[in-house]
Amino acid sequence: AQTVTQSQPEMSVQEAETVTLSCTYDTSESDYYLFWYKQPPSRQMILVIRQEAYKQQNATENRFSVNFQKAAKSFSLKISDSQLGDAAMYFCARIRGAQKLVFGQGTRLTINP
Amino acid sequence: NAGVTQTPKFRILKIGQSMTLQCTQDMNHNYMYWYRQDPGMGLKLIYYSVGAGITDKGEVPNGYNVSRSTTEDFPLRLELAAPSQTSVYFCASTNEGPSQFGSGTRLTVV
Repeated sequence: AQTVTQSQPEMSVQEAETVTLSCTYDTSESDYYLFWYKQPPSRQMILVIRQEAYKQQNATENRFSVNFQKAAKSFSLKISDSQLGDAAMYFCARIRGAQKLVFGQGTRLTINP
Repeated sequence: NAGVTQTPKFRILKIGQSMTLQCTQDMNHNYMYWYRQDPGMGLKLIYYSVGAGITDKGEVPNGYNVSRSTTEDFPLRLELAAPSQTSVYFCASTNEGPSQFGSGTRLTVV
């Protein structure tokens, strides 16, 4: 099955600290895309970061970075210097054929002031 | 450039009623999608389209229908609404890579 698994339903972190959200996936393809989306209470789906599987270098977007382990099929998101505005649901996703997205179950991130 | 626009934002339906969720995009994207998100869950694909005149089923198509007569529009039709269709519905589009999403429609069937 082409699944995406997020094993942490909820996470919390103190403001200004670092938190890592986990994601594993299943695929038989050698080249594919992986994404992290953020969904705040407004429910808008916002792309946080993307990783192309053929690139060995981990993607970074400001305070957000990934740890991509292709052999282990692992794709974790690290948020540094956490801010109150980072509080949201975070979804890991990968692309299947026709650019379709397969999502994990999500991780609810709480930022404690 | 409005991106992906969904209407309505909220709707309450009675069991057995029908309705159409509208989706339009102004980015000339070929691929369009409908996902549903149940409480506390990730998004699941209902239907998708790779271009005007072409549609195909996703993971959870039962109870829904779609059409794609133009590149811009991809409406989702609910026939004979059931409580199991209570959910948040997202339309999305892309040409390549990550999809851009609409703001969602919260549908309640009572």
